[in-house]
Amino acid sequence: KAGVTQTPRYLIKTRGQQVTLSCSPISGHRSVSWYQQTPGQGLQFLFEYFSETQRNKGNFPGRFSGRQFSNSRSEMNVSTLELGDSALYLCASSLGLADGTDTQYFGPGTRLTVL
Amino acid sequence: AQRVTQPEKLLSVFKGAPVELKCNYSYSGSPELFWYVQYSRQRLQLLLRHISRESIKGFTADLNKGETSFHLKKPFAQEEDSAMYYCALSHKGAQKLVFGQGTRLTINP
Repeated sequence: KAGVTQTPRYLIKTRGQQVTLSCSPISGHRSVSWYQQTPGQGLQFLFEYFSETQRNKGNFPGRFSGRQFSNSRSEMNVSTLELGDSALYLCASSLGLADGTDTQYFGPGTRLTVL
Repeated sequence: AQRVTQPEKLLSVFKGAPVELKCNYSYSGSPELFWYVQYSRQRLQLLLRHISRESIKGFTADLNKGETSFHLKKPFAQEEDSAMYYCALSHKGAQKLVFGQGTRLTINP
């Protein structure tokens, strides 16, 4: 079965602009989580969407937002980009089970560079 | 606060030698612990989780609640084990993972 896909794979933006990243989960998965990976802070959780609702949220400013569509595809948006937003953005999908047996499957990431 | 600490950024061992990647955590409650691995040019993937008590690719990890540790061990390292390893925790059933900074393991021939 096809894995998690993310588009675009690479993106270059300038400060002040906004950006939208897309994630298509594995078929049948209803949960999509987003993570930011930087050399300094490592992997940090942004938010999780399940059945079109934000279920968990990390400690990021309101400039970072997301949504999920009825087909479970998810987008994340970053407004008013700052240099520090340069990072690899990973999404992960899972069934969304709450019994501890679930597994998150990660996508290849979108590399965002802010100039 | 939830935190995962991997004290070694880099670890290098010879093929056939034992490997131990350290992971300590702080969490108020009973977390779920995981080890994720990223091989060169591949995606981040789950290696094992503590509730499964499995041995995956010869790796095992025991949760020590007294020492709040979840060290990853393998008795005989192989060259294909060279990768980046991340320890992570989550609240039971939650999809929010808190990752350590990772340990780059290199197995020398």
